[in-house]
Amino acid sequence: GQQVMQIPQYQHVQEGEDFTTYCNSSTTLSNIQWYKQRPGGHPVFLIQLVKSGEVKKQKRLTFQFGEAKKNSSLHITATQTTDVGTYFCAGPAGAGSYQLTFGKGTKLSVIP
Amino acid sequence: GAGVSQSPSNKVTEKGKDVELRCDPISGHTALYWYRQSLGQGLEFLIYFQGNSAPDKSGLPSDRFSAERTGGSVSTLTIQRTQQEDSAVYLCASSSSASPTYNEQFFGPGTRLTVL
Repeated sequence: GQQVMQIPQYQHVQEGEDFTTYCNSSTTLSNIQWYKQRPGGHPVFLIQLVKSGEVKKQKRLTFQFGEAKKNSSLHITATQTTDVGTYFCAGPAGAGSYQLTFGKGTKLSVIP
Repeated sequence: GAGVSQSPSNKVTEKGKDVELRCDPISGHTALYWYRQSLGQGLEFLIYFQGNSAPDKSGLPSDRFSAERTGGSVSTLTIQRTQQEDSAVYLCASSSSASPTYNEQFFGPGTRLTVL
């Protein structure tokens, strides 16, 4: 079945450093979503990418969808302590599927 | 209005007992999902409801797990004869979209289930 892999599993950065997490799917995706889960909280939707090669920005966060629509990345510039949490990517489990397959997430720690 | 709500927030039960977890989706959302998240792990899909269609039960780990959605709104996840490996946070999410391409999910706070 479809697999969604995320790397790295953990990342510790000094406040002010940049951070990137990568997401790779075993199959072509119609879209990819990113969620953030703060410690003790629940996942919160960040963004959805649909088009091949799409790049979207939200303040210090930059999201990219690969040309082949099989990979994606999330880059945070100049991390802050508020960025702490686990970042998940998710893609449809199959063509036309409403079910999302989530990656295992990248847990970000920011050292003040 | 309000977001997705779940109850109880915490549930401690003894091995072998049945438990019921409740999810109240955002009003008007036609899609409802249940996930399981074990400590420090990702989200494991359990079941999906869309409107009046038959649910997608492909993620249920065993026949001890079942779920229903009454009137297209509130959903209940039932775990029979609980086992210690069922201990996890059970998350519910809802979505307004009828399209598989644009289906942002809104998550509830989860129910933390502990089986002793």
